[in-house]
Order: sequence, then structure tokens, then C-alpha cells
Amino acid sequence: AQSVAQPEDQVNVAEGNPLTVKCTYSVSGNPYLFWYVQYPNRGLQFLLKYITGDNLVKGSYGFEAEFNKSQTSFHLKKPSALVSDSALYFCAVRPGSSNTGKLIFGQGTTLQVKP
Amino acid sequence: GAVVSQHPSRVICKSGTSVKIECRSLDFQATTMFWYRQFPKKSLMLMATSNEGSKATYEQGVEKDKFLINHASLTLSTLTVTSAHPEDSSFYICSARPRGSGSHLTGELFFGEGSRLTVL
Repeated sequence: AQSVAQPEDQVNVAEGNPLTVKCTYSVSGNPYLFWYVQYPNRGLQFLLKYITGDNLVKGSYGFEAEFNKSQTSFHLKKPSALVSDSALYFCAVRPGSSNTGKLIFGQGTTLQVKP
Repeated sequence: GAVVSQHPSRVICKSGTSVKIECRSLDFQATTMFWYRQFPKKSLMLMATSNEGSKATYEQGVEKDKFLINHASLTLSTLTVTSAHPEDSSFYICSARPRGSGSHLTGELFFGEGSRLTVL
């Protein structure tokens, strides 16, 4: 079965420290990978995506993610966390075999950045 | 660019009534829109794929007669929750991908702000 896993329900970091939000996937074909952020009672905002090319992808608000094919992972990172980064983060994948464009989402990770 | 608008953002209705939620792509055309349901602090559950000019494709376990989807134009899809019950209370989110964006199948989805439905 095709799936996306975010093993951490919540990640807590202090402001200024680096942060990592983990994501692993299991899909057929070459995956297209995405990260989205959701603030309370809002829709999802696109952060970044990996389609092909460099394994390290840079996105919005200083976030980046590294695609690791051997580990089937696409962890989200930021060198220095801000309190305003506190939100719900979703990893998503579009299977390479899909022709509809629909995404499979992980269960989400709540990021809490404390001052 | 690539703004998706959902309306209403919040709706409260009585059990047994029907509620319509609109999803509009404001500055682009979308042949495909997706409807998701989100439970509190939970992930997004894809309900259906809405295709312009044709019937929606529903995910397994989603009642198509309960959740009516109409994609009447390239900028509008609607979700109607028929005969709503308290268990239908949830946060419903739509998404769309710009048509002819050059990365039609690899590009990211753009999401609406969501609609919170509360059924009393």
C-alpha cells in the first residue's frame, strides 16, 4: 500500500535552534514529494517540493528538505526556528504512477517553538 | 496568483438539512479539484476528486449520495452535504491545481482556507 508516515505527533524546539520534522514514504515509481504547513482553522500553504534534481530542496520561510531515496525519507529542516513557525506540518507524496495528481498526506506533525 | 477561495468559512446547520460549500479558483482554471475532510488534529482524508464536466471520483468508504460534488466550470466545484448529521461535523478543505501550468501532474496543489461545518 502507498503511504506517508510522519512518526512524530509533535516536535518541540527552542527558538533559534535547528528543527527537523521527519517524513518517510512508501509509494510505487518515482515519487513527487511535498511539504505543507497549516495554521489553526486555515487551509494548507505550500512550502516546498521535490520532483527531480538536487536532493536538497529549498522552500518558503527558510525551510528546506532533503530527499533520501535509499531511506525513502524527505525530512523537513530549518537551521533556526522561529516562534511563528509553530504550526501543523504535513508531508505529502504523489505516486509516480498516479495520473490524477492527487496527493497522499502523512498524519501531520505539530511543531511547537518556544521562546 | 493561484488563489483558492472557499465559502462559507463557517456554517452551522440543523440535523437533516443540506449544506453547500463552494470552492473557487480565483485567478486560474482547474480541471481537477480535490475535496478533503480533516478531523481535529488529524490528517487530511481525501474524499473525492472533482473533474470538470464529469462525475466525481470518490474514495473508498465515502458515500457519494451523501457528499454530492459538482464541478460545473473550470473555476468552481461545490460539495453538498445532504441530510447532515452531527457526525458530519468537520473541517472540509478543497484544493486545485492550475490548468496548463506546465507541471500539470507534478505541481503542487493550492488549498482553500477550509470550511468548518457544525451540525447541531
